[in-house]
Amino acid sequence: EAQVTQNPRYLITVTGKKLTVTCSQNMNHEYMSWYRQDPGLGLRQIYYSMNVEVTDKGDVPEGYKVSRKEKRNFPLILESPSPNQTSLYFCASSLPGHPEAFFGQGTRLTVV
Amino acid sequence: GQNIDQPTEMTATEGAIVQINCTYQTSGFNGLFWYQQHAGEAPTFLSYNVLDGLEEKGRFSSFLSRSKGYSYLLLKELQMKDSASYLCALRKAGSYQLTFGKGTKLSVIP
Repeated sequence: EAQVTQNPRYLITVTGKKLTVTCSQNMNHEYMSWYRQDPGLGLRQIYYSMNVEVTDKGDVPEGYKVSRKEKRNFPLILESPSPNQTSLYFCASSLPGHPEAFFGQGTRLTVV
Repeated sequence: GQNIDQPTEMTATEGAIVQINCTYQTSGFNGLFWYQQHAGEAPTFLSYNVLDGLEEKGRFSSFLSRSKGYSYLLLKELQMKDSASYLCALRKAGSYQLTFGKGTKLSVIP
């Protein structure tokens, strides 16, 4: 089954403790991206990647890092999480030239 | 930059037709997209427009007017399961970046 898989689905952590949210897709998509979704603000792009070893900042990159060492994986790294990073995070992937982006099921992160 | 406006909430009756509007200001884009998102779930792709005009997909249609900076999503024969948020998004010209509006929460009532 074609899908985008995020882990974990839920995470509660403390301020300053490094964490990684994984994202993996099995559709051989070149393009992958991370979004955060907050009430009243909608979906905002954090980082995106056009292909392996090619990443770029989205609209809200501060406090986040990403890497794209393999085509299928695009982890989101929070080196020192803070409470304002409490949010619902989505990973998405798509093929160049195709309109549809496929989203993972989301990761609900709480930083206390 | 890109600025996208949608109504925050709408209510419509089962079996009716509803139109969700999206207006935007942008320096350039190569596609306007509509996604559906049920509460607590991931967004799913509904429709997209590149050129002006109407695109129809079953009960859902999307319209784009580039000259007016305007799009709408039309939902016909509303069903209770259509209660969801509807997200308008622009794809930045020359890239695959998507910028989303804040979404319109549609409630379908009996």
